[in-house]
Amino acid sequence: NAGVTQTPKFQVLKTGQSMTLQCAQDMNHEYMSWYRQDPGMGLRLIHYSVGAGITDQGEVPNGYNVSRSTTEDFPLRLLSAAPSQTSVYFCASSSDTEAFFGQGTRLTVV
Amino acid sequence: GENVEQHPSTLSVQEGDSAVIKCTYSDSASNYFPWYKQELGKRPQLIIDIRSNVGEKKDQRIAVTLNKTAKHFSLHITETQPEDSAVYFCAASRGRSNYQLIWGAGTKLIIKP
Repeated sequence: NAGVTQTPKFQVLKTGQSMTLQCAQDMNHEYMSWYRQDPGMGLRLIHYSVGAGITDQGEVPNGYNVSRSTTEDFPLRLLSAAPSQTSVYFCASSSDTEAFFGQGTRLTVV
Repeated sequence: GENVEQHPSTLSVQEGDSAVIKCTYSDSASNYFPWYKQELGKRPQLIIDIRSNVGEKKDQRIAVTLNKTAKHFSLHITETQPEDSAVYFCAASRGRSNYQLIWGAGTKLIIKP
């Protein structure tokens, strides 16, 4: 049982480049979410989805897009990377009792 | 908007002593309060949670207490061990949804040998 698989683990981007962070879960959860983690700021919600075809914005959605074409997959797309997007990103898949996180992606934008 | 405040940001305790981390929340409709532990370089993982119909919950050396009137909840770790060193996050549900959580900023717990 893989749980939540998130790739890549590390990424360096140049300002203005775009990229997609992949997230897949095999627990058949309807609710999935993306967070960014910055020192001293906890986990901030970027986007979330309550099921295939349904997405919504979290606290800090600017500069990011998501899609949910299947229950399993919830990719996060950075449209035009900026240094302010340097962070650690976590995907999570949630039951009604627990959020299961992916391994995280450490993204650096130079 | 709703928020969760967590204190202290860093806590250093002697091995074997107890540690207490406190959180306050603003959404009076919150009814689910989990605690997550994040070891260095790892993903956050659920260690204990409590729902609003319960005042205290224990799991071995870990306990959580909830005061709904005052809107605060606390994590208690007794007989601390080196493997307890980590960052701990509290969270509160956004309203009655267990899925949407409002997170505290985290507490770095350091266990001194």
